[in-house]
Amino acid sequence: EPEVTQTPSHQVTQMGQEVILRCVPISNHLYFYWYRQILGQKVEFLVSFYNNEISEKSEIFDDQFSVERPDGSNFTLKIRSTKLEDSAMYFCASSEDHGEAFFGQGTRLTVV
Amino acid sequence: GQQLNQSPQSMFIQEGEDVSMNCTSSSIFNTWLWYKQDPGEGPVLLIALYKAGELTSNGRLTAQFGITRKDSFLNISASIPSDVGIYFCAGHDAGNNRKLIWGLGTSLAVNP
Repeated sequence: EPEVTQTPSHQVTQMGQEVILRCVPISNHLYFYWYRQILGQKVEFLVSFYNNEISEKSEIFDDQFSVERPDGSNFTLKIRSTKLEDSAMYFCASSEDHGEAFFGQGTRLTVV
Repeated sequence: GQQLNQSPQSMFIQEGEDVSMNCTSSSIFNTWLWYKQDPGEGPVLLIALYKAGELTSNGRLTAQFGITRKDSFLNISASIPSDVGIYFCAGHDAGNNRKLIWGLGTSLAVNP
């Protein structure tokens, strides 16, 4: 069964460093998303991406964040200069249309 | 940001009991999705609903899209220990289908 895959599963980084979280969405999907979940809290929307551009972003997704689809399969989230409060689980999701979104297993980002 | 009101916040039940949880929104939704999340994992889609009044089952799970389009419920019949986890409702507001709005989750514990 097709699935969204994310790497790495866990990333530890020093405050101020750049991180890139990687995702391979389901191959025939056209819409891609990043969400995050601070431990024990709700899932928060970060950004949606369609047709090689951002279609929506939240107030969390400030200038420190960027997304890219560098080739036909990968979808990345870059955090330019990490802060302690960026520590969270980051989930990539994809959907065929604006309906069912399928999530990856997540990357646990720990900023120290 | 916008969020859904999901209740109850947590449930502790005996194996074999039925479970019911629900979500309400202040605005009309086009889509209701129910996810289950195990610790350290990504949300897994259980049921997707697209039309007001729609009632859909997935094994022991049944969910309905409320006729007002402002609510949805999820029922689990004859609970088993592996039903333990956090259940999230999510949906697309009728005015914006580019991101999912999430509930805060219902934590389910099942006593064998």
